[in-house]
Amino acid sequence: GAGVSQSPSNKVTEKGKDVELRCDPISGHTALYWYRQSLGQGLEFLIYFQGNSAPDKSGLPSDRFSAERTGGSVSTLTIQRTQQEDSAVYLCASSVEGSGADTQYFGPGTRLTVL
Amino acid sequence: GENVEQHPSTLSVQEGDSAVIKCTYSDSASNYFPWYKQELGKGPQLIIDIRSNVGEKKDQRIAVTLNKTAKHFSLHITETQPEDSAVYFCAARSNSGYALNFGKGTSLLVTP
Repeated sequence: GAGVSQSPSNKVTEKGKDVELRCDPISGHTALYWYRQSLGQGLEFLIYFQGNSAPDKSGLPSDRFSAERTGGSVSTLTIQRTQQEDSAVYLCASSVEGSGADTQYFGPGTRLTVL
Repeated sequence: GENVEQHPSTLSVQEGDSAVIKCTYSDSASNYFPWYKQELGKGPQLIIDIRSNVGEKKDQRIAVTLNKTAKHFSLHITETQPEDSAVYFCAARSNSGYALNFGKGTSLLVTP
């Protein structure tokens, strides 16, 4: 079946502009996660959704970052007033229910470049 | 919070040899340890995982071992092939959390 999809695959923006990144999780998965991967670094957790609620937003680096999820499916990560240090690959993952040893399946990511 | 250390950062082996990647974690409440393989331009793909009630798990050429006392776990790849070349990430998840905490990755190169 279809995996996690993300769009756009690449995004180039100018410093100060807002960007929106989209994630379509695997159908039926109630849990959704956003991670950020900077060059040569591991994956850094940003936010976790269970349904439309976000019980864990502890990884969002600043108030310029926000995310929402609607209909228990699609999620959008918004970065306002982008900075050059926001350049990274933003990865989305989903899992069946988000508990215990639930396997997280990752999308291909969105590569964000802030000029 | 959880801190996951991964070594080595780069590993080069000849085809047919074994490769071992090691990780340590700090949170004794961690109970789930997946390993992901990431190829260039793609998202991470789960290759094997282990729960805290199991010491070892094997899937064909790939095996993972877990030592809860020492808080470390390892990935073993036997009979390596060029298509095993990729970046491998270990991760740990606490039983009280939702997020995976990742190591910084190991770039594995298998030369023919």
